[in-house]
Amino acid sequence: AQSVAQPEDQVNVAEGNPLTVKCTYSVSGNPYLFWYVQYPNRGLQFLLKYITGDNLVKGSYGFEAEFNKSQTSFHLKKPSALVSDSALYFCAVRGGTYKYIFGTGTRLKVLA
Amino acid sequence: KAGVTQTPRYLIKTRGQQVTLSCSPISGHRSVSWYQQTPGQGLQFLFEYFSETQRNKGNFPGRFSGRQFSNSRSEMNVSTLELGDSALYLCASSPDTGPQNIQYFGAGTRLSVL
Repeated sequence: AQSVAQPEDQVNVAEGNPLTVKCTYSVSGNPYLFWYVQYPNRGLQFLLKYITGDNLVKGSYGFEAEFNKSQTSFHLKKPSALVSDSALYFCAVRGGTYKYIFGTGTRLKVLA
Repeated sequence: KAGVTQTPRYLIKTRGQQVTLSCSPISGHRSVSWYQQTPGQGLQFLFEYFSETQRNKGNFPGRFSGRQFSNSRSEMNVSTLELGDSALYLCASSPDTGPQNIQYFGAGTRLSVL
């Protein structure tokens, strides 16, 4: 069965510091992996995706994610956090069934 | 290009009633998916429609149903509402059902069941 785990409910980081939001997945076949962000009272917005190819994927707003097949992880990273990055982040996977499976979300709080 | 539009934005219903939510996808998008978002549960997939046919279904009871019209607009219906149905219901559209497609989300309909 497909599943996605985001082990941290909340991540706090100081402005200017690097940030990491963790995601691990379980899927049969080749995974299609995504990160989305949700701001208050808004729907989700796409950040980046991994389909195939380079393990380091670059996305919107300076975010990137590292695909690690052996650890079945797809962690979201940013070299220098901004206060405006504070939001709810969701990891998602699509596998053989093509259903979108989302994690429970990680709230990122960037402190000024 | 207009984004995904969901109506209404807010709904208050009482237990036992039924409710219909509407979603207009981005022009040209033929796939529409529905999700339920609750604190602690994240987003849970309800169903996906493409060309008026349900292509995928999540693990929700039969009280949750949906349909898609020939213009790709979609509706979701919940009958015999329960308190636990209180949630943000999100609709997302994409051009087709390809696994690499990005989903474009609406702002959601917040349903409160009293």
